[in-house]
Amino acid sequence: GQQLNQSPQSMFIQEGEDVSMNCTSSSIFNTWLWYKQDPGEGPVLLIALYKAGELTSNGRLTAQFGITRKDSFLNISASIPSDVGIYFCAGRGTGNQFYFGTGTSLTVIP
Amino acid sequence: NAGVTQTPKFRVLKTGQSMTLLCAQDMNHEYMYWYRQDPGMGLRLIHYSVGEGTTAKGEVPDGYNVSRLKKQNFLLGLESAAPSQTSVYFCASSDRGRGLLAEAFFGQGTRLTVV
Repeated sequence: GQQLNQSPQSMFIQEGEDVSMNCTSSSIFNTWLWYKQDPGEGPVLLIALYKAGELTSNGRLTAQFGITRKDSFLNISASIPSDVGIYFCAGRGTGNQFYFGTGTSLTVIP
Repeated sequence: NAGVTQTPKFRVLKTGQSMTLLCAQDMNHEYMYWYRQDPGMGLRLIHYSVGEGTTAKGEVPDGYNVSRLKKQNFLLGLESAAPSQTSVYFCASSDRGRGLLAEAFFGQGTRLTVV
């Protein structure tokens, strides 16, 4: 199946720091999504991207749809303790199925 | 507004037993999905449905069957459970507006252990 490489696998940061994570694909995608999952919960949609080059913000979160259509980036500014969780990217290619990345586990140290 | 509700939340099965997981959504969404989540592997699509009475295979459909008899419900069945099906199962639903899975809402998950 499709491979989405999400990096880094885990991050330990101090409260207040900015965070960057990315997702890359071996093929072109036409939609990118970013989800956050808290322990024991289902993923919650953070940002959806539908056009190459698109830059979208949701509060302190900003995501970009890469120009090559093979990658996407998520940035979190001024992290706070409630940002802790696992962040997943998901991409949809021409085959109309979404593939999820393996997740980035974020720990925020107060 | 409950969103997406999964039943049960936890279950332990013996190898060879059968069971059905129920997913209900109250958002009048056309599309529904079943995913499984295993450590280090993200979420993988098992089956999905684009409308009442229709189902389609996803990435890992073997060993599972689904039915969508009513728009608001999507059932996932395991006819003969195997230890490899130990996983956390998530149901999701989305509106058709942006295409398959775009802006999907997920349930809280069902943790299934097969011994």
